[in-house]
Amino acid sequence: DAGVTQSPTHLIKTRGQHVTLRCSPISGHKSVSWYQQVLGQGPQFIFQYYEKEERGRGNFPDRFSARQFPNYSSELNVNALLLGDSALYLCASSLALGQPQHFGDGTRLSIL
Amino acid sequence: AQSVTQLGSHVSVSEGALVLLRCNYSSSVPPYLFWYVQYPNQGLQLLLKYTTGATLVKGINGFEAEFKKSETSFHLTKPSAHMSDAAEYFCAVSPSGGYQKVTFGTGTKLQVIP
Repeated sequence: DAGVTQSPTHLIKTRGQHVTLRCSPISGHKSVSWYQQVLGQGPQFIFQYYEKEERGRGNFPDRFSARQFPNYSSELNVNALLLGDSALYLCASSLALGQPQHFGDGTRLSIL
Repeated sequence: AQSVTQLGSHVSVSEGALVLLRCNYSSSVPPYLFWYVQYPNQGLQLLLKYTTGATLVKGINGFEAEFKKSETSFHLTKPSAHMSDAAEYFCAVSPSGGYQKVTFGTGTKLQVIP
């Protein structure tokens, strides 16, 4: 079975631009979470979605938004990119809330 | 509020030696606790988790961890290190009961010396 897939794997943007990152969960998984991992640090929770509804939000500015589609895939959008947004963005899916999360390999976002 | 503290950002062990990675947590509610491993340029893989019940938890690749409520600790151990264990390890905590906002530690890079 396919794991969590994220696209693109790498992305280079400039300050002020916006970006959309995509995530396809494991088949049958209804919950998707997004994390930001800055180099040398642990992942930080951004959003969690379950059954297309936002169920949790971390301490990130409103420039960050996300949504989950009827097929349970998800997009993370970041507007007005800053240099500090450079990071590995990880998506994780789980069968439901409170279930172990399975991570994708991430999207490496570099801001110039 | 919840947090985890991983003691030691870098740990070096000889191949065949005991691996001990330390994690202390803080949580205002009964926690779920996790250890994840991350290899270069990859996502995180779950090694093991504690939810309720038995405090000694066995995971994949020969790793285990013991939940000690009195010490608020969840240290990761492996009796004999293998070269393939070289990676970064993250301790994480989430509130129990279904809400899954996971808080990660800053990670410990494990180096295995041949």
